[in-house]
Amino acid sequence: NAGVTQTPKFRVLKTGQSMTLLCAQDMNHEYMYWYRQDPGMGLRLIHYSVGEGTTAKGEVPDGYNVSRLKKQNFLLGLESAAPSQTSVYFCASETLQGYEQYFGPGTRLTVT
Amino acid sequence: GQQLNQSPQSMFIQEGEDVSMNCTSSSIFNTWLWYKQDPGEGPVLLIALYKAGELTSNGRLTAQFGITRKDSFLNISASIPSDVGIYFCAGRGSNTGNQFYFGTGTSLTVIP
Repeated sequence: NAGVTQTPKFRVLKTGQSMTLLCAQDMNHEYMYWYRQDPGMGLRLIHYSVGEGTTAKGEVPDGYNVSRLKKQNFLLGLESAAPSQTSVYFCASETLQGYEQYFGPGTRLTVT
Repeated sequence: GQQLNQSPQSMFIQEGEDVSMNCTSSSIFNTWLWYKQDPGEGPVLLIALYKAGELTSNGRLTAQFGITRKDSFLNISASIPSDVGIYFCAGRGSNTGNQFYFGTGTSLTVIP
């Protein structure tokens, strides 16, 4: 039981490049979330999903897109990366009833 | 978005001392979570609270859901070196939809 996994762990992009971050969970959780973590700030929600095929915007969605084609996977896309998107990205999952979020190990992204 | 004020921002304590930290919100929450994050890792859930006044322990950690429902407290007793890390609170209420909001963290250093 791996819990929540994220790939890649590290990535460096040039401004304007695109990439996709993958989150996978093996706990059969309904809800999944993408956050970014910046120095001096709390985790901020980018997008989330309450089930397969559904997504919704969080607090800071601009510049990101997401997809949840399979229950166990939640993808975060950056179509045209900007230096302001340099951050550590965390994925989390949550059961329908549990009200507890479990986090992956994070992806450290640098945009130059 | 919601503001969660977490204090103190940092603490330097001697091994064996007790630690207290707290979080306050601008609105009422119905769930409080406390996490610990080690450098380069994702947050790990420590304690979850669901009712006003609830007091829950996890080993040397004790957390309380404030009776006003706008605050929560975390205490660590008899600190040890492996308690070093950043502690985050997170809260969710009926007016935050499905979103948890996170505090900015308390950085704990334990001096042996």
